[in-house]
Amino acid sequence: LAKTTQPISMDSYEGQEVNITCSHNNIATNDYITWYQQFPSQGPRFIIQGYKTKVTNEVASLFIPADRKSSTLSLPRVSLSDTAVYYCLVGDPNYNNNDMRFGAGTRLTVKP
Amino acid sequence: DSGVTQTPKHLITATGQRVTLRCSPRSGDLSVYWYQQSLDQGLQFLIQYYNGEERAKGNILERFSAQQFPDLHSELNLSSLELGDSALYFCASSGGTIYTDTQYFGPGTRLTVL
Repeated sequence: LAKTTQPISMDSYEGQEVNITCSHNNIATNDYITWYQQFPSQGPRFIIQGYKTKVTNEVASLFIPADRKSSTLSLPRVSLSDTAVYYCLVGDPNYNNNDMRFGAGTRLTVKP
Repeated sequence: DSGVTQTPKHLITATGQRVTLRCSPRSGDLSVYWYQQSLDQGLQFLIQYYNGEERAKGNILERFSAQQFPDLHSELNLSSLELGDSALYFCASSGGTIYTDTQYFGPGTRLTVL
């Protein structure tokens, strides 16, 4: 399983663009990269998923360089309600993998 | 609303007891996943079922077991409960694989073991 490394926490201010980078040096050929958002005491919510290059939806953008060893979640013009924990999940289609986990995630705090 | 339902929302019990958590996936989803999240901890994957069959296993304790029924709902059984089992237990569902398909999470069951 491709292990991921994210910053433990980040601070930002309302209206700024926030970029959260996830490192996954041993990503496998068939792996996808998925980001989730979690508010306190709620289940995680899917944000975006990609395989290579750039993916954009109404919520965020995901940038993946050619070597795919990292990815960056970009949140444009954050607001206070974007304060949450963001998880990077790198997939291995081996269904029997015993080490699937979301990790500690990045705790984003948006300040007024 | 993700479409995934979990019952009960809260559960308070004593050490040594056994409890059952229930999850109903989104309509049409064949995969169900169970996660444990302790206070200020990340999500710990426990187990995945796909169309009634166990598909993947994480760090699930032997005291814990799960199953997925023909109607695709799933139950997580926790026995011989310990104080350390107090946590939020999330269920998620998806159409297929854990990684290529979006997982939709339920609201969770908060278990408190006294």
